[in-house]
Amino acid sequence: DADVTQTPRNRITKTGKRIMLECSQTKGHDRMYWYRQDPGLGLRLIYYSFDVKDINKGEISDGYSVSRQAQAKFSLSLESAIPNQTALYFCAASQGRWDEQFFGPGTRLTVL
Amino acid sequence: SQELEQSPQSLIVQEGKNLTINCTSSKTLYGLYWYKQKYGEGLIFLMMLQKGGEEKSHEKITAKLDEKKQQSSLHITASQPSHAGIYLCGADTSGTYKYIFGTGTRLKVLA
Repeated sequence: DADVTQTPRNRITKTGKRIMLECSQTKGHDRMYWYRQDPGLGLRLIYYSFDVKDINKGEISDGYSVSRQAQAKFSLSLESAIPNQTALYFCAASQGRWDEQFFGPGTRLTVL
Repeated sequence: SQELEQSPQSLIVQEGKNLTINCTSSKTLYGLYWYKQKYGEGLIFLMMLQKGGEEKSHEKITAKLDEKKQQSSLHITASQPSHAGIYLCGADTSGTYKYIFGTGTRLKVLA
């Protein structure tokens, strides 16, 4: 089984809809991250969490919110989706600052 | 402009050829990571460099960190079709545990 899983893998939604992307990890890592990937822009950090009570904004947090329900679960919400949020979204987990980040397979989100 | 610039943006090589991908930071590097991504899929960790002058190898891939130049290079020896994909460098450039990534280098290896 994969160490970091994301659901759904693909989602098409309409402008204005609320949508939640979920991430679970089985590695027992404290740190979790949400990124989005756009062509030509690489990966950009949306939010990151160092433990259940510690959540921080990343580079592009506007329009997004997150919830760390447990050490293993970190969900990303779009309260009112807009077309420029169409992207590939990745969740990642790591143990320490200098440790590798384990990435999930990604969620491809399309907002019409 | 990107804090982490990768060059080249894309690369097509014949199988068996050597190649180098560069990642240059406009800020101090507190740790530099290399990942490989197959198109539309998740990222796979290759290696992490932390100290200036550090060099690591994994199979036919070698990465070096030049702290003074704020630059890392990834070198693939005798490339194979299995090396094809997108190579991304990532780094902590602020010392605040927030990671940024370059835009990636797309590598195609012709059999």
